[in-house]
Amino acid sequence: GIQVEQSPPDLILQEGANSTLRCNFSDSVNNLQWFHQNPWGQLINLFYIPSGTKQNGRLSATTVATERYSLLYISSSQTTDSGVYFCAVKKGGRETSGSRLTFGEGTQLTVNP
Amino acid sequence: GAGVSQSPRYKVAKRGQDVALRCDPISGHVSLFWYQQALGQGPEFLTYFQNEAQLDKSGLPSDRFFAERPEGSVSTLKIQRTQQEDSAVYLCASSLVLASYEQYFGPGTRLTVT
Repeated sequence: GIQVEQSPPDLILQEGANSTLRCNFSDSVNNLQWFHQNPWGQLINLFYIPSGTKQNGRLSATTVATERYSLLYISSSQTTDSGVYFCAVKKGGRETSGSRLTFGEGTQLTVNP
Repeated sequence: GAGVSQSPRYKVAKRGQDVALRCDPISGHVSLFWYQQALGQGPEFLTYFQNEAQLDKSGLPSDRFFAERPEGSVSTLKIQRTQQEDSAVYLCASSLVLASYEQYFGPGTRLTVT
């Protein structure tokens, strides 16, 4: 199956700092999503970005599908940004041949005041 | 509008008991997915429905796990004769049409088997 690698596994920041999280994947994809899992376990959708660049407030993401990676940028981090960030991909191809989202191991982000 | 909802939020079962977990997808969403998340890991796919048809059940870990979506809306994940290794958070997700569309997740059901 498709492999998804996220880096770094852990990241500790001071409030106000910027950071970049990376997601590498091993095959072509037709769905790539970034999620933030909050302390209560809820997966919050950040971006649906199988290709291109999107921005939402202090967050932005870029996916370079041809080179099989995606980046999540967090600017001016806040303590509420703490949690686990997951990248998840769906392998390209027939709908029933790869319906699943495959998740990376996540990046544990801690933002200190 | 309302998001994906799941019930119960927490379930404690004695080993050997059967459990049923419910998922209400976003209204009108055709595709529904179940995932299992062990502590400290990313979610892992269990099964996928398009309307009432179960198109992929390759992620179900054993024949003790069974899922259904009889009317193409609400889904139930049933685990028979629960084992300790079944302890995990069970997440349900839905997407508007195809699996390649954006998936939205519910809050999960935390299952603890004692």
